[in-house]
Amino acid sequence: GAVVSQHPSRVICKSGTSVKIECRSLDFQATTMFWYRQFPKQSLMLMATSNEGSKATYEQGVEKDKFLINHASLTLSTLTVTSAHPEDSSFYICSAASPGETQYFGPGTRLLVL
Amino acid sequence: AQSVTQPDIHITVSEGASLELRCNYSYGATPYLFWYVQSPGQGLQLLLKYFSGDTLVQGIKGFEAEFKRSQSSFNLRKPSVHWSDAAEYFCAVGLPGGTASKLTFGTGTRLQVTL
Repeated sequence: GAVVSQHPSRVICKSGTSVKIECRSLDFQATTMFWYRQFPKQSLMLMATSNEGSKATYEQGVEKDKFLINHASLTLSTLTVTSAHPEDSSFYICSAASPGETQYFGPGTRLLVL
Repeated sequence: AQSVTQPDIHITVSEGASLELRCNYSYGATPYLFWYVQSPGQGLQLLLKYFSGDTLVQGIKGFEAEFKRSQSSFNLRKPSVHWSDAAEYFCAVGLPGGTASKLTFGTGTRLQVTL
């Protein structure tokens, strides 16, 4: 149990375009989902926390207009990188949790912006 | 705010040898403590967690960790390392509470296993 999927696993896009990444909890209802960013050989940095049906809470320094997060259901959250630029290239990881429970992580999405 | 320190950036051990990865945290009370493992290009897999109770926690893949309040530590151990254990290991802390809380991660320890 406690499986989290992400789609796509990797994506290449042109600078200026938008990219959507999906995070799904496959076998449990996730009231809270988290989005992280990981640079090569570095730790995970929390970008935002989203609760189902509510607006996401962004960490300091994360542009909410650039990284749009939607958590429309208990099993799906999406991260849209708008007007992507090469500096947005990174490994994006989501996690999902139900109340009082451990976070379970997705396999990650590698984004490359050309 | 809580913080996590993993003092060893890189560790190399021989297959079959024992392993201990260090983790120290800073927080006013006892946080929730976690160890995750990440293989290259993959997401994170939970190895074990400590919320309360017995301070020696057993996890998957033969790993265990011991919470020591006096040392603010939560070190990860394995008595005999396998080549497949080579990966990046992250210690994390979360705030106790009734809902899923934000995690703060350490910088990670890369484990290399020699044959």
